Amino acid sequence: QKEVEQDPGPLSVPEGAIVSLNCTYSNSAFQYFMWYRQYSRKGPELLMYTYSSGNKEDGRFTAQVDKSSKYISLFIRDSQPSDSATYLCAMRTSGSARQLTFGSGTQLTVLP
Amino acid sequence: GAGVSQTPSNKVTEKGKYVELRCDPISGHTALYWYRQSLGQGPEFLIYFQGTGAADDSGLPNDRFFAVRPEGSVSTLKIQRTERGDSAVYLCASSLRSGGSSHTDTQYFGPGTRLTVL
Repeated sequence: QKEVEQDPGPLSVPEGAIVSLNCTYSNSAFQYFMWYRQYSRKGPELLMYTYSSGNKEDGRFTAQVDKSSKYISLFIRDSQPSDSATYLCAMRTSGSARQLTFGSGTQLTVLP
Repeated sequence: GAGVSQTPSNKVTEKGKYVELRCDPISGHTALYWYRQSLGQGPEFLIYFQGTGAADDSGLPNDRFFAVRPEGSVSTLKIQRTERGDSAVYLCASSLRSGGSSHTDTQYFGPGTRLTVL
């Protein structure tokens, strides 16, 4: 079983919809949680960075972390066709290990 | 300013050949990471440098893989005796430093090198 599980989709929604993306994880040592967006044939681009449990909002994006359930979410409001991409959750511990552990990504298509 | 750059963007080689993949991090970033991304998967960690030294190479799959960063800036990932299973996108990322706040340890990724082993 992978340390980080993410539904691969694909997920298709109409423009303007609210999108919910989720990841679950098994390693309770994870303390830092990120969401990256990856367009086709491009490198991942950081969207949200959160520490420990709680919510963080940035424009149309809201990240939620529930450490007690080992569950993180990304919400996209008023989705746009330009949001069509693969969304990757990533996390790391607070120890000496600096590498990120990624989910497998969810492919999102926002239809105009 | 310039982001992380990687060359070549695509590399096709034959089984058994040697390849080198180059990464130019963001200027001033002291931490550099290599990841490998297979089709339909998220990136998987290979190795991390803090300055010139490899701080963690636990993700390298075997001794055919090696990476260097001799002057603490550009890094080269080297793969000997390539195998078809090495085909993937190799991603490089850099951060201002490792640890600390989100500002300092956010990893910025390059576009990757798509390696195909025939």
